[in-house]
Amino acid sequence: SQKIEQNSEALNIQEGKTATLTCNYTNYSPAYLQWYRQDPGRGPVFLLLIRENEKEKRKERLKVTFDTTLKQSLFHITASQPADSATYLCALDENTGFQKLVFGTGTRLLVSP
Amino acid sequence: EPEVTQTPSHQVTQMGQEVILRCVPISNHLYFYWYRQILGQKVEFLVSFYNNEISEKSEIFDDQFSVERPDGSNFTLKIRSTKLEDSAMYFCASQQEQDNEQFFGPGTRLTVL
Repeated sequence: SQKIEQNSEALNIQEGKTATLTCNYTNYSPAYLQWYRQDPGRGPVFLLLIRENEKEKRKERLKVTFDTTLKQSLFHITASQPADSATYLCALDENTGFQKLVFGTGTRLLVSP
Repeated sequence: EPEVTQTPSHQVTQMGQEVILRCVPISNHLYFYWYRQILGQKVEFLVSFYNNEISEKSEIFDDQFSVERPDGSNFTLKIRSTKLEDSAMYFCASQQEQDNEQFFGPGTRLTVL
């Protein structure tokens, strides 16, 4: 089954800088990949979805890239703010025709003022 | 903006008791899911539901678990005889169409004593 790797160590950056988070997967390429934000004790909040035929997707200060050769997605937050501090989850489908998502462990982002 | 809602937000029960977790998905969505997250661990898929039947379930979703969409708006997860290891956050999610984003509810924290 699919294995997803996200950096388990927290990423500490200063306000205004660009945060870059990595998601690597090990097996077959998914049909699409999603990024979610999760705050402590809360449900995942959908941010962006990128499909296997898309290289890049943007939404306001967020950008996602998808490299099926490297089996990697990068998630960027530009001009980061303390309010961006949260855990960011990568999730992908298993490309089996079913719709279940497989999640990574998430990377905690801390943006300091 | 439409959102997925879940009740209760916190449920405490004794081992061996039955619990029912309730979800109201977004109204025009067709695909429904339950996931769970044990404290400090990743979000895990439990079951998917489409067209009034289970479309896929994980190994976690054994005979103690069942799902129902009794009235066209609610989507419930029943655990027949709870175990200590069922303690987790349970998230409901819904999806409008295949291969689109899934929207998660805020979760129910289940504590089994």
